[in-house]
Parts: sequence; C-alpha cells; structure tokens
Amino acid sequence: EAGVAQSPRYKIIEKRQSVAFWCNPISGHATLYWYQQILGQGPKLLIQFQNNGVVDDSQLPKDRFSAERLKGVDSTLKIQPAKLEDSAVYLCASSLTGELFFGEGSRLTVL
Amino acid sequence: AQSVTQLGSHVSVSEGALVLLRCNYSSSVPPYLFWYVQYPNQGLQLLLKYTSAATLVKGINGFEAEFKKSETSFHLTKPSAHMSDAAEYFCAVSDSISGGSYIPTFGRGTSLIVHP
Repeated sequence: EAGVAQSPRYKIIEKRQSVAFWCNPISGHATLYWYQQILGQGPKLLIQFQNNGVVDDSQLPKDRFSAERLKGVDSTLKIQPAKLEDSAVYLCASSLTGELFFGEGSRLTVL
Repeated sequence: AQSVTQLGSHVSVSEGALVLLRCNYSSSVPPYLFWYVQYPNQGLQLLLKYTSAATLVKGINGFEAEFKKSETSFHLTKPSAHMSDAAEYFCAVSDSISGGSYIPTFGRGTSLIVHP
C-alpha cells in the first residue's frame, strides 16, 4: 500500500513570495490533515478535510494561507505572501478511521 | 481544551539501558493518547495508542506506555535501548473523534539520544 505522498520535499523562497505544497493521501482515506511543524516544536494542525469539505480550519492563518481538496483526493496548501516565521515543515496526514498516517513532509525555508 | 507536556527536550541513554520518556496531558474528557516517533527527514509514525481499553499499551519496536489517570500521565518506556531508537518522540492527546478519526494535539517532542 502506497503511503502519503508530498511534494516538493524542500523549498527555499524569499519573503513575500508564494509557495504551494501538494499532498496525495492514501487511497480511500476520506480525512486529510495539514500540520505545520516549526523547528523545536510539535506539529500544529492547520486544517482538516473530510472528503472535500473543511472540518476545522480554526488555526489556519487565512490572510496568507489557503488550502483546497478538489474531488476529495489530492490537496494543495498555498502560502501567499510568505513570511520569515512560515519557515517550517508542512506535514500532510490522512486517515480512514482512527490512526493518522503521515507523509515525509515539505520543508520550507523563507529568507 | 487539551494539551500535552513532555518533560525534557532531550534524553540521553546508553545502549542497553532503560528508556523513559515522560508525558503529562490535560483534557476535559477521557482522552485518547498517542506516542509517535519521527526519524530524521521522515514523517511521524505511530508507536502506540491508548483508547480506553487496557491501561498498559504495547507498541512497536518493544515500546510500551502506561495510562495513569490519577497522575494524568502516559510515559513511554523500553527496557533496553538500541542505537536505532535514536529519534524524536512526540506524545499526543485527542479528546474527540471527528469523522471517525482522532485529531491529535502534539507535545513539543523529546529527542532520544543513544550512546554506544
């Protein structure tokens, strides 16, 4: 069974530029999550999708972050414009019931 | 509201020694509790979970954790450390299920260092 796929693995941009991350969950997993992991901290939930609907986006900085999950499969997380404090690893996870399965993450460096 | 406190950002042990990683939680309802491991440049992998069944939970790679309600703790242990156990360990709590899945809140993590 293929795991959660994320791309790109690494991205370096300058502040005020934009960036997009892509996630392909495990086949059949209805629930998809985006977490932000800042160095030295635990992952923080940004947004949760159930199929293509948003369940929880209370911690998503909506002035600069956006996410979508068209057709209830792949998902894209976008940051525009990026700030220095957005430097982090962005983790995507999916689940069918119960356990979350995580991808390897996309590491963003904002200069 | 739910939260997790992991005591010690770094724990150093010798190979073959006991591993003890501490976790205390705060939850307004009976919680679901988890330990995840993260190896360098990899995603998080579930080690074990407590979901209100047996209080002593056994996980992968010889790890286990005990849920102690009176102490609001869920410490992770392994009798004998191996070099391959060196990684970042995260304790997490979820007090709800949404759409059939947990929504874990993570602690800050503890880095386990294993010396030969």
